[in-house]
Amino acid sequence: DSGVTQTPKHLITATGQRVTLRCSPRSGDLSVYWYQQSLDQGLQFLIQYYNGEERAKGNILERFSAQQFPDLHSELNLSSLELGDSALYFCASSVDPRDSGELFFGEGSRLTVL
Amino acid sequence: GNSVTQMEGPVTLSEEAFLTINCTYTATGYPSLFWYVQYPGEGLQLLLKATKADDKGSNKGFEATYRKETTSFHLEKGSVQVSDSAVYFCALSGGETSGSRLTFGEGTQLTVNP
Repeated sequence: DSGVTQTPKHLITATGQRVTLRCSPRSGDLSVYWYQQSLDQGLQFLIQYYNGEERAKGNILERFSAQQFPDLHSELNLSSLELGDSALYFCASSVDPRDSGELFFGEGSRLTVL
Repeated sequence: GNSVTQMEGPVTLSEEAFLTINCTYTATGYPSLFWYVQYPGEGLQLLLKATKADDKGSNKGFEATYRKETTSFHLEKGSVQVSDSAVYFCALSGGETSGSRLTFGEGTQLTVNP
């Protein structure tokens, strides 16, 4: 158990809909990362937050947004969903954004868009 | 930009066989290198890391040496077990990227048969 909690574990929805994925980082970790894992693109970095502020942005679509709340949990919002958004979405956390890549990953939220 | 290339999988071995999974990278500066492992139905876990040239990371019988001259970080294990069956990801952080956002390779599926 990494200590990172993601909900929901599975989600099935239709094209055009909007979903919210939630992540609770390990106790004491200030930095949260979102990754997308799909068969054709592998693991792609989406976005990073540190103590409530956006720290780095990767290949995140404009239809997607995220935030980190004062209690340090984070939410990833996916809107106007397309079939190609079907993927496993991972949240990871670390104590310090300079932690040289030692991230702790949750078990992921599997999104299926029909 | 940064990139990581892993040997194509899947890899199937018999128990007690020798394992090598090749990984090469492209990055400017001095990245840190990692191997993460993903067991079925779980999130990624850090397996080992190396932060500078000629460093050797090791854990659970797995080893990898940071070779700057060949830009490689190959994963090896002398005798694999059925419980090693998983997907292995090579990754890097730092270099020209900021913070500890990770750039992952494609992943290599390893199956070990009894």
